[in-house]
Amino acid sequence: KNEVEQSPQNLTAQEGEFITINCSYSVGISALHWLQQHPGGGIVSLFMLSSGKKKHGRLIATINIQEKHSSLHITASHPRDSAVYICAVEETSGSRLTFGEGTQLTVNP
Amino acid sequence: NAGVMQNPRHLVRRRGQEARLRCSPMKGHSHVYWYRQLPEEGLKFMVYLQKENIIDESGMPKERFSAEFPKEGPSILRIQQVVRGDSAAYFCASSLPRRAGTQYFGPGTRLLVL
Repeated sequence: KNEVEQSPQNLTAQEGEFITINCSYSVGISALHWLQQHPGGGIVSLFMLSSGKKKHGRLIATINIQEKHSSLHITASHPRDSAVYICAVEETSGSRLTFGEGTQLTVNP
Repeated sequence: NAGVMQNPRHLVRRRGQEARLRCSPMKGHSHVYWYRQLPEEGLKFMVYLQKENIIDESGMPKERFSAEFPKEGPSILRIQQVVRGDSAAYFCASSLPRRAGTQYFGPGTRLLVL
C-alpha cells in the first residue's frame, strides 16, 4: 500500500463543473503539498497545508489531520485547468516529499 | 527574482556515458531536493542537500548516482555509465532553510539514454 493515495486516478469534467480530488496518507506529516503538472511537464506548487483550509482564486485545499485526508477543490473549472494534480506529504521525520500517483484532470469545453 | 533553473532541459546520452544535471536554486534558498519521474510513473525523492552537505540520500540508487551542492555554484546530479533505465525527467526543487517550507520546482531535465 502506498503511503500517499489519490483518487480518482482520472477525472473528466465539463467546463464550469465543481471538481474534487482526494488524497489520503498513512504517515505522520508536518505538511501536505498540492502540485500541478502541466502537459509540458513543468511542476507548480499550488498549496502547502499543515491544518485547516487555504484558498487561491478558484482553488481550495483542505486538510483533516485526524483523518489523514486532504481534498483539492476547483470551482468553475476551465479547460486550462487540465493537468495532473499531485498530492505530496512531508513526513515529520524529515523534509523529503512522498508523492501520490497523481490525478489526471481533463476539462472539456 | 528568477525561479529555480535547471539545465540542460533536454539531454541525450548513449549507454555508458556520463550525465550531469545542474540546478540553480531560487535566490536565498540553501536547500535543494532532487526528484525523478520515470516514464508513466509518479515522482520519487532522490536526495536532499544543503550547501556542502548531503542531508538525506535515501532515495539515491546505490551505484552510479551522486549529488553535490557546493558552496559556490549550482547543485549537480551526476549519473555515471548511464543505462536505458535512467531515462526519466529529473526535477530539482529548492526551499528556504526551515522545516515544512514550500518547495519551488525547476522545469526539469529530460534525460534520454539511447
